[in-house]
This record gives sequence, C-alpha cells and structure tokens, in this order.
Amino acid sequence: GENVEQHPSTLSVQEGDSAVIKCTYSDSASNYFPWYKQELGKRPQLIIDIRSNVGEKKDQRIAVTLNKTAKHFSLHITETQPEDSAVYFCAASQGAQKLVFGQGTRLTINP
Amino acid sequence: SAVISQKPSRDICQRGTSLTIQCQVDSQVTMMFWYRQQPGQSLTLIATANQGSEATYESGFVIDKFPISRPNLTFSTLTVSNMSPEDSSIYLCSAAGLDGYNEQFFGPGTRLTVL
Repeated sequence: GENVEQHPSTLSVQEGDSAVIKCTYSDSASNYFPWYKQELGKRPQLIIDIRSNVGEKKDQRIAVTLNKTAKHFSLHITETQPEDSAVYFCAASQGAQKLVFGQGTRLTINP
Repeated sequence: SAVISQKPSRDICQRGTSLTIQCQVDSQVTMMFWYRQQPGQSLTLIATANQGSEATYESGFVIDKFPISRPNLTFSTLTVSNMSPEDSSIYLCSAAGLDGYNEQFFGPGTRLTVL
C-alpha cells in the first residue's frame, strides 16, 4: 500500500521568511496530493492540492510542486506570518479515495 | 466545499461501554471516511464507509470493534465498542467526491476520553 514520508517534523522560521515542507510517496498510482493545515483543537483544513498532471500550483503565498518521477512533492509558504503557525500534513490518494497522511510538520513562525 | 458536522463533539465514557458518533454532510458525497487522531499524531484511517454495503476496514481495525453504518449519501455513524482507555482519541469523519471532485473535507472531530 501507499506510504507517505514527511520532513521535517518541526520547522521554525522568522516571520517574513519562507518555509518548505517535503513529502515522498511510494505508490506510483497515486494521483492526488493535498496539503492540510491543522490548528490546535481544530479540524484539518485543506489549503492547497495538486494533481499528477500538473507540476506546480500557486495560491497567493502558498505553492505546491510535484515531481512524479522522484515521487515527491513540497509545500512552499512565502512571506510567513504568525497565523501560519500550525501543524501541516501532506497526503496522497488515487482520486477521491482514502488519503494516506504524512507524519505532520509543526511550523512555528517567530516574530 | 461541503459542510460536515459531528455529534457529539466530546464525551467521557466508562470502560466497557460503547459510543456512537454521527457524521452529517450538507451535500450528497461519493465517499465518506472515518479517521482516528491520537494527540500530537497524524491521522490514521479506520475505514471507508460504503453506502448500502459493509464498510471497508484498514489493517488493524475490525468491524466488531468499530461498526460503521452509511444509510445514505449524506450520513454515517461510527460506533466504538467495548471501550478501553486505549480508545481515547479524536475521531474524525471526512467526505470526498462532492460534484465529482477529489477534495476531502473533515468534520470537527469527536474527542473521546475513556476512563
């Protein structure tokens, strides 16, 4: 079955700097890669996703890149703000099927 | 996006009892799932709730312990049976396939404490 590895487990950056979180997956049949942000005590919120027919997707300060050959994808957050502090999860699936999640990255933005 | 609600939001239960968690979606969705999230951990899929048929369970989860119902395209229940303190966790439902899209949205979760 699918296995998703996520790094780093914790990340601390200065406000205004960029943050990058990386994930690798094992199943070449996976074709949908969402990223979730989870604040303390809240549900995971979908912040961006990418499908296997696209190499990069941007939405304001966040972007995701996908390398199908290497089976890895990354989340990039630019101009970080204190409200970006949260736990971020990557995931992989085949279409609207079950998601396999990475272990999570706790991102802290230092003012 | 779909709006998903869960009941109860939290509960404290005694060992050996059972709790049924309800998940309601405001739109018809193709897929519904149940996850468990231990404090500070990632999300682990318990099962896929299939409409009109038995749920599909992941390795390590069995129907006798986590019976699931999905009577229609907007509603599902998860029962945690014969509970032990190890079952203390957050249980989340999710839904995907709204309007044919892959996006999966989560309910607010049910925080379960077993004494």
